[in-house]
Amino acid sequence: EIVLAQSPGTLSLSPGERATLSCRASQSVTSSYLAWYQQKPGQAPRLLIYGASTRASGIPGRFIGSRSGTDFTLTISRLEPEDVAVYYCQQYGSSPLYTFGQGTKLEIK
Amino acid sequence: EVQLVESGGGLVKPGGSLRLSCAASGFTFTDAWMSWVRQAPGKGLEWVGRIKSKSDGETAEYAASVKGRFTISRDDSKNRLYLQMDSLKTEDTAVFFCIAVDTSGYYTLDYWGRGTLVTVSS
Repeated sequence: EIVLAQSPGTLSLSPGERATLSCRASQSVTSSYLAWYQQKPGQAPRLLIYGASTRASGIPGRFIGSRSGTDFTLTISRLEPEDVAVYYCQQYGSSPLYTFGQGTKLEIK
Repeated sequence: EVQLVESGGGLVKPGGSLRLSCAASGFTFTDAWMSWVRQAPGKGLEWVGRIKSKSDGETAEYAASVKGRFTISRDDSKNRLYLQMDSLKTEDTAVFFCIAVDTSGYYTLDYWGRGTLVTVSS
């Protein structure tokens, strides 16, 4: 089973700052099958990034996904107050079909 | 507009059964692959299972934690997805989300319902 380890657990930054969220896979993950989701308080998750780096429909350009080997990164270039959420990475394909990271909680100071 | 509305959650005793339903609209349900994901209170996301479209065999796959206890089915004539949950355990307590899956090649969990809470407790 592929394990996705997200770090940090919690990130506290000020508006306008850059946030860097990490997702490390225990084995090789096909880029096409790595996605990021945003879950705001009290809401269902929403797809942000798919294929490791492609923004989903309607997602602002400040959300950027990238990959280096088995490390995947979600960067939020200029934080806005509405970005407060828990962010999850997810891989598809290996048993179990879908695996999620444990999440990074983003707080805005 | 895609809409997914879950129902059927509630309080059930350990060992009991519950059937969740998901009403789908705003897309061609017949062609859709659908998934269930759950989230225990204050915890992360856990994939539960997926069912393919009828044209793709209507096969279902499950997480190891629910295999043999949960069954996913669909009624395309009613645009409804179901999750039959048997032999429920306290650790099954969670919000269950109904999801429409991308089938263009990325298999992302594209559209989510708001979820329905299942509480397993004596």
